Amino acid sequence: RKEVEQDPGPFNVPEGATVAFNCTYSNSASQSFFWYRQDCRKEPKLLMSVYSSGNEDGRFTAQLNRASQYISLLIRDSKLSDSATYLCVVNSLLGYTGTASKLTFGTGTRLQVTL
Amino acid sequence: DAGVTQSPTHLIKTRGQQVTLRCSPKSGHDTVSWYQQALGQGPQFIFQYYEEEERQRGNFPDRFSGHQFPNYSSELNVNALLLGDSALYLCASSTTGTGSEKLFFGSGTQLSVL
Repeated sequence: RKEVEQDPGPFNVPEGATVAFNCTYSNSASQSFFWYRQDCRKEPKLLMSVYSSGNEDGRFTAQLNRASQYISLLIRDSKLSDSATYLCVVNSLLGYTGTASKLTFGTGTRLQVTL
Repeated sequence: DAGVTQSPTHLIKTRGQQVTLRCSPKSGHDTVSWYQQALGQGPQFIFQYYEEEERQRGNFPDRFSGHQFPNYSSELNVNALLLGDSALYLCASSTTGTGSEKLFFGSGTQLSVL
């Protein structure tokens, strides 16, 4: 089983639509969670952190369910500029001291917003 | 404040050759991680360097090696290149902490092996 699993899509949605992406992770000891956005042939860029209480940043809402090991991202009122790949990322501590960590990426979910 | 810088941006090599990729972390960051991203896949963790030592390694063969310098910059070396090594190689920097630190990526080196 992959450490982080996402539906690769693509999700094709019209402008103004609401779209939701889901992600599951296998390591129950994972410490922190993120959504990164990656445009074609560019580097990933941090979109937002994900907290159990849920957090919102403008049109974007992220949610974490630790019991189900499930992360979600909701995009409201989609814009053409939202077209990109969205990477679910899980941060796990390494070793006994726990001072090092490693980010594990899902394969990404591709979103295409159309007119 | 310069972000993470990588060089070169593009590289073409042939099978069996060796390659060295370079990375300078974001100012104030002391930890460098390297990732390989094949087309259509998410970035795969290669290894992480801190205090000039490899702290953790992903599932990559010994052909992949690295180094971190006292100024925190880092190199990734790949020996005996295979066609399957063609990918975008991403360097990311962070500060060592408690597991909630965020990674900042460079724009990557696109390696093509012919």
